[in-house]
Amino acid sequence: NAGVMQNPRHLVRRRGQEARLRCSPMKGHSHVYWYRQLPEEGLKFMVYLQKENIIDESGMPKERFSAEFPKEGPSILRIQQVVRGDSAAYFCASSPPTGSTEAFFGQGTRLTVV
Amino acid sequence: LAKTTQPISMDSYEGQEVNITCSHNNIATNDYITWYQQFPSQGPRFIIQGYKTKVTNEVASLFIPADRKSSTLSLPRVSLSDTAVYYCLVGDEGSYIPTFGRGTSLIVHP
Repeated sequence: NAGVMQNPRHLVRRRGQEARLRCSPMKGHSHVYWYRQLPEEGLKFMVYLQKENIIDESGMPKERFSAEFPKEGPSILRIQQVVRGDSAAYFCASSPPTGSTEAFFGQGTRLTVV
Repeated sequence: LAKTTQPISMDSYEGQEVNITCSHNNIATNDYITWYQQFPSQGPRFIIQGYKTKVTNEVASLFIPADRKSSTLSLPRVSLSDTAVYYCLVGDEGSYIPTFGRGTSLIVHP
């Protein structure tokens, strides 16, 4: 059973471009979480999704950021018109559909905006 | 959501036992206590989870007093590879969103 897969592992974008980060949850998991981590800081919650639904996006910036988790395919975190301050590690986690307090994390995508 | 407080950093030496304590004074009746470990450039990894008393697995032990207002992660005989950030989280199974604080940066010295 493969773990949570994130790609790409590293992404370089110029200011103003779009960044698309992908996350394939563990098999059988229907809950996906996205986090952002700046150097020397903890993980900041961004958004919690279930299949085709955004459950909680209280940690998402109001502009330029969006997330989806379609019925088929990976979850996507999309950042439009990236700025230097978007440079960070973005982690995805998944958990099973039944109540669980254990989340499984991917290796992350390190976004660098130049 | 119960807030957690843990030391920012700790230092230890190979072979020693390390105890990291986390305070969660506002823990709710249905909340579980979960600890994660994060190595540089990697995602957090689940270590151990408990509700009360003591839990032990192949990696660590978790001690939870009767009032559940704190918990202690115990790592026996640490090695250099245990150098990581350790996070304490609390939450229940309903609508659970793992919420991370700054964690405790453990450095194990030779």
